[in-house]
Amino acid sequence: QVQLVESGGGVVQPGGSLRVSCAASGFTFSNFGMHWVRQAPGKGPEWVAVIWHDGSNKYYADSVKGRFTISRDNSKNTLYLQMNGLRGEDTAVYYCTRDIVNIWNVGAYWGQGTLVTVSS
Amino acid sequence: QSALTQPASVSGSPGQSITISCTGTSSDVGGYKYVSWYQQHPGKAPKLIIYEVNNRPSGVSNRFSGSKSGNTASLTISGLQAEDEADYYCSSCTSSTTLVFGGGTKLTVL
Repeated sequence: QVQLVESGGGVVQPGGSLRVSCAASGFTFSNFGMHWVRQAPGKGPEWVAVIWHDGSNKYYADSVKGRFTISRDNSKNTLYLQMNGLRGEDTAVYYCTRDIVNIWNVGAYWGQGTLVTVSS
Repeated sequence: QSALTQPASVSGSPGQSITISCTGTSSDVGGYKYVSWYQQHPGKAPKLIIYEVNNRPSGVSNRFSGSKSGNTASLTISGLQAEDEADYYCSSCTSSTTLVFGGGTKLTVL
């Protein structure tokens, strides 16, 4: 069965950096595009970034462009999100998600999420 | 990347049908078939219940259905049940090769 397990969250000071990871199993990771979606406490989901199955294309939400970088290692079945210049408004649970049928059918599968808290 | 517009709340009695709207623009909802709907219970990750406007993933009840007209998509839940009480979100891909979510709708089953 499809399993996505995020890790790497924690507390970081404003302006700091953090890398979160997502270990995938139960499917052929290299065949699927992957997304990061975040959800701030008490708020709705916010799309963060997408990466094509082979890493050839990456797109970002305006709110994180230039600060966050999505990447993947298909040999390790792992998705990453490098977050630099963190701000208070980046505080959220970060989920990795896999699509169904097409890369824009986001969220067929979700991990349990990892909490990132930006605070001094 | 403005959020798609959803009503803040809707309610219905068990057995009734309700519809939640999701309004965007021609650059998102109106321009693409990649409109999805999600159900989220407290403390849980969102669950995909509709994709590509009106397709249900395996295992999702056929009480959930989707449609689209112009720049507005809709989710209909028929035969309302207590366990349907949750937050519902729509999403759409955009002309900027991004994804945008709706602000969410809280469904109360009376």
